[in-house]
Amino acid sequence: GESVGLHLPTLSVQEGDNSIINCAYSNSASDYFIWYKQESGKGPQFIIDIRSNMDKRQGQRVTVLLNKTVKHLSLQIAATQPGDSAVYFCADYDNNNDMRFGAGTRLTVKP
Amino acid sequence: GAGVSQSPSNKVTEKGKDVELRCDPISGHTALYWYRQSLGQGLEFLIYFQGNSAPDKSGLPSDRFSAERTGGSVSTLTIQRTQQEDSAVYLCASSHYTGAYEQYFGPGTRLTVT
Repeated sequence: GESVGLHLPTLSVQEGDNSIINCAYSNSASDYFIWYKQESGKGPQFIIDIRSNMDKRQGQRVTVLLNKTVKHLSLQIAATQPGDSAVYFCADYDNNNDMRFGAGTRLTVKP
Repeated sequence: GAGVSQSPSNKVTEKGKDVELRCDPISGHTALYWYRQSLGQGLEFLIYFQGNSAPDKSGLPSDRFSAERTGGSVSTLTIQRTQQEDSAVYLCASSHYTGAYEQYFGPGTRLTVT
């Protein structure tokens, strides 16, 4: 079956550096994507979204890039801070509103 | 305003016992979702409600799992005759309506079956 997955299960970065978290999807009908952040002991929290008619969207310190040709999604976090340490999930929606989550990438920020 | 709340936050039960997990969605949200998250894993969709009805029960892993929602608000997820493989964090989320993509998650209930 088709699925959303992540290239790396863990990522460790130095405080102040930029972080890039990747996600691959296989459903060609996916037209909407969300990145969620899940801190320890909490539920996932919406960070940023992007529709398939866009290839880039910026938020506060975060940027999501979408490459539909290779079905790849990335989340870039600028000037990573200790509070960014969490598990990050991508999720995709297709035109039937079916949603799938990836396994998640654990980001650890070293002081 | 108040977010999604879940209770209990932690539940330890013996194998074979029944458990009931509760979710209070954000007021006014008509869509409600249940997910299961095993340790170090992603989110596994279980069931969603639009109002009080559950048009999609495809994610329930077995007939030991059931869920209901009354009054378009509170939902309960019941697991009968619990097994050790049921141990996981059970997350509830709500959204304004089924077509609203952004879901607001509760803190989850950590279920441990001994």
